[in-house]
Amino acid sequence: GAGVSQSPSNKVTEKGKDVELRCDPISGHTALYWYRQSLGQGLEFLIYFQGNSAPDKSGLPSDRFSAERTGGSVSTLTIQRTQQEDSAVYLCASSSATGGYTFGSGTRLTVV
Amino acid sequence: QKEVEQNSGPLSVPEGAIASLNCTYSDRGSQSFFWYRQYSGKSPELIMFIYSNGDKEDGRFTAQLNKASQYVSLLIRDSQPSDSATYLCAGPFSGGYNKLIFGAGTRLAVHP
Repeated sequence: GAGVSQSPSNKVTEKGKDVELRCDPISGHTALYWYRQSLGQGLEFLIYFQGNSAPDKSGLPSDRFSAERTGGSVSTLTIQRTQQEDSAVYLCASSSATGGYTFGSGTRLTVV
Repeated sequence: QKEVEQNSGPLSVPEGAIASLNCTYSDRGSQSFFWYRQYSGKSPELIMFIYSNGDKEDGRFTAQLNKASQYVSLLIRDSQPSDSATYLCAGPFSGGYNKLIFGAGTRLAVHP
């Protein structure tokens, strides 16, 4: 597609529920990244995909977080047993091999 | 720990003035830097990138990179109220792939 598409744009969930966040990168971009941004904070790296593999998942906060990418395209970030501290904007970005990132519009997750 | 440091601001400048945003980084291996602009409630958008020492100009924006001193800056000439946003500096982790480490951002306020 023309840009990075993320869904849903907003998600309110109850504490303890699982959520799935979706990212559809720019066509042809082999690299895909997940970041999160808490209110008033900077961008926190979560995971990086090159193709379908994840050479760097060092930013995932706990084993409740997981992500996959299929067909070198769409990626899903899953958070199990959500906690209130998981509330943030989750941003997906894609890039060519050496270029800057293009970000999606993000998913605002609120855990109540 | 690879770090990118920015003054959080706010940096307040009058309309028409030059805004100077600065960033320092710790990874001497970083070869390229990116400046992103983030309006409140929106996702970051790429405005400038620089790979070489010296200056790079694009319209009212000038990026400056000094690898010896490990700093990068962004100058905005003829600042406009529409430039009011948070500016994020980002440099790639030199571990062999294009992972961006973001600074916390500097909030710029341009007042009429």
